[in-house]
Amino acid sequence: QVQLVESGGGVVQPGGSLRLSCAASGFTFSSYGMHWVRQAPGKGLEWVAFIRYDGSNKYYADSVKGRFTISRDNSKNTLYLQMNSLRAEDTAVYYCAKDGGGTVYWGQGTLVTVSS
Amino acid sequence: NFMLTQPHSVSESPGKTVTISCTRSSGSIASNYVQWYQQRPGSSPTTVIYEDNQRPSGVPDRFSGSIDSSSNSASLTISGLKTEDEADYYCQSYDSSNPIWVFGGGTKLTVL
Repeated sequence: QVQLVESGGGVVQPGGSLRLSCAASGFTFSSYGMHWVRQAPGKGLEWVAFIRYDGSNKYYADSVKGRFTISRDNSKNTLYLQMNSLRAEDTAVYYCAKDGGGTVYWGQGTLVTVSS
Repeated sequence: NFMLTQPHSVSESPGKTVTISCTRSSGSIASNYVQWYQQRPGSSPTTVIYEDNQRPSGVPDRFSGSIDSSSNSASLTISGLKTEDEADYYCQSYDSSNPIWVFGGGTKLTVL
């Protein structure tokens, strides 16, 4: 079955950096586009970024453009989100999600807290 | 970009039927598929409807989805409500020309 496991969250100071990972299994990772979605405490879902199956195209929300970079390693079945210049408003649970082919699958999320 | 607008909250009694709407602000609701996600407290979202009206395996047929071009909206209908259906529900669609996701603000369903 499809499984997505995020890791890499934690507490970081404003202006700091963090790299999130999403380990995928149970499907042909290299055939599907992947998203990052975040949810601030007590708030709704916010789309963050998308990468095509082969990494050829990447898309970002305006709120993270220029600070976050989405990437993937199809040989390791892993999705990444490099987050730089972090701000307090980036505090959220970050989910990876598999797109395409019907049902959207979500990971369990990893919490990022930006605080001094 | 367009927006998807959902009611902030709805409530209904067990055994009844509830419908949650999701209205698209611009562009046709029919031009891009709509998905619906259920998120119980403390859990990650799960898909209850994809591609407007398709149910993933394991989702009971009490859940159904539809779109209405006249109101430019999508709807999630849950019949025979159970207390376990109490959750936040989000609609999601795509930007017309690229794979950017747009989410509705979410609807808190209370079953009491």
